[in-house]
Amino acid sequence: NAGVMQNPRHLVRRRGQEARLRCSPMKGHSHVYWYRQLPEEGLKFMVYLQKENIIDESGMPKERFSAEFPKEGPSILRIQQVVRGDSAAYFCASSPRRGIGNTIYFGEGSWLTVV
Amino acid sequence: AQTVTQSQPEMSVQEAETVTLSCTYDTSENNYYLFWYKQPPSRQMILVIRQEAYKQQNATENRFSVNFQKAAKSFSLKISDSQLGDTAMYFCAYDAMEYGNKLVFGAGTILRVKS
Repeated sequence: NAGVMQNPRHLVRRRGQEARLRCSPMKGHSHVYWYRQLPEEGLKFMVYLQKENIIDESGMPKERFSAEFPKEGPSILRIQQVVRGDSAAYFCASSPRRGIGNTIYFGEGSWLTVV
Repeated sequence: AQTVTQSQPEMSVQEAETVTLSCTYDTSENNYYLFWYKQPPSRQMILVIRQEAYKQQNATENRFSVNFQKAAKSFSLKISDSQLGDTAMYFCAYDAMEYGNKLVFGAGTILRVKS
């Protein structure tokens, strides 16, 4: 089974440009989570999506960030008008169902550098 | 809000020896899960071990074991017979019913295994 696939692995954007990060969950998983890891910090929850629905976006910055998980295709994390503070590793994870204790499987991360 | 604290920013251990990484957490929940994740230099997040709060018995996975002290809200990770491949950042994480897969991570402990 292929794991959680993220692309691109590395992305460089100039300030003011848009960044799009993609995540294909593991086969059979319909729950997707995005986490952000700033330099020297642990991962912070951003958003939880199920097919076509945003379930919990309490960790998303109020502006410039959006996420979707369409019926067909990967989940997309979109960052508009990037700033230097957006430079971070963005991890996607997936699980087959919701509920505490369910193992969630992480992708290898996408590293965004804003110059 | 739930918090997870890892008080050791860095640790070192000689190959073949044993090391213990500390983690404390704050919660008013009764049912929850605790996890240790490993992030090697490749930066992928790898699940090491997990513990359900209701289970008295400490979880064990090969050379990795935990010391779960529910009353003290402590969840330490013991690595026996340390190997060079254990060199990584280790994150403690918490998952509670109200979150369901919305993990709260500690800041991490860098472990260096020396030959």
